[in-house]
Amino acid sequence: DTGVSQDPRHKITKRGQNVTFRCDPISEHNRLYWYRQTLGQGPEFLTYFQNEAQLEKSRLLSDRFSAERPKGSFSTLEIQRTEQGDSAMYLCASSSWGDYGYTFGSGTRLTVV
Amino acid sequence: ELKVEQNPLFLSMQEGKNYTIYCNYSTTSDRLYWYRQDPGKSLESLFVLLSNGAVKQEGRLMASLDTKARLSTLHITAAVHDLSATYFCAADSNAGKSTFGDGTTLTVKP
Repeated sequence: DTGVSQDPRHKITKRGQNVTFRCDPISEHNRLYWYRQTLGQGPEFLTYFQNEAQLEKSRLLSDRFSAERPKGSFSTLEIQRTEQGDSAMYLCASSSWGDYGYTFGSGTRLTVV
Repeated sequence: ELKVEQNPLFLSMQEGKNYTIYCNYSTTSDRLYWYRQDPGKSLESLFVLLSNGAVKQEGRLMASLDTKARLSTLHITAAVHDLSATYFCAADSNAGKSTFGDGTTLTVKP
């Protein structure tokens, strides 16, 4: 197992466009998390899944953001009508129930121009 | 709402010196984590602290937890250049959702 994979690594998009990111967790992990990190800050929680169920969403996640985890495997995070304030590193992490700590992916760096 | 505060936010050290990074959290938490992040990279898990009085050590880094004071420390012994990075602490609120501090950027100078 190669750990948590995220794709793409970098994305530059024009304001107003839609973008979608993908995360492939460690195969035996049933929990999957999305965080957002801006320069000079710690990661901020966005949402998490246990298997295919989305159990919690942060207030940070506006209506323009949606996340899915069909079949409890990979997950996608879509941002509609991107704004410059969406520019950040989007981090995915996974864990198993009872695990202590997450494994983070390498992240997707989004730049909205 | 759980809040996590780290200090200092920036730390410049000379090689061979010792220093401590502090992490305070505002409400009861099940677990306390320390992560390392190199520029442009993702987060690497360093320590997970589960109970009051827990102490863990790896190389020149030692982490401890005082749940009564809601305080964790990351102690650096005899710093070397390779330790230069940003260090984050994080506390779990529920269901494993973590709240992170703003990080401590450590620069170790020769």
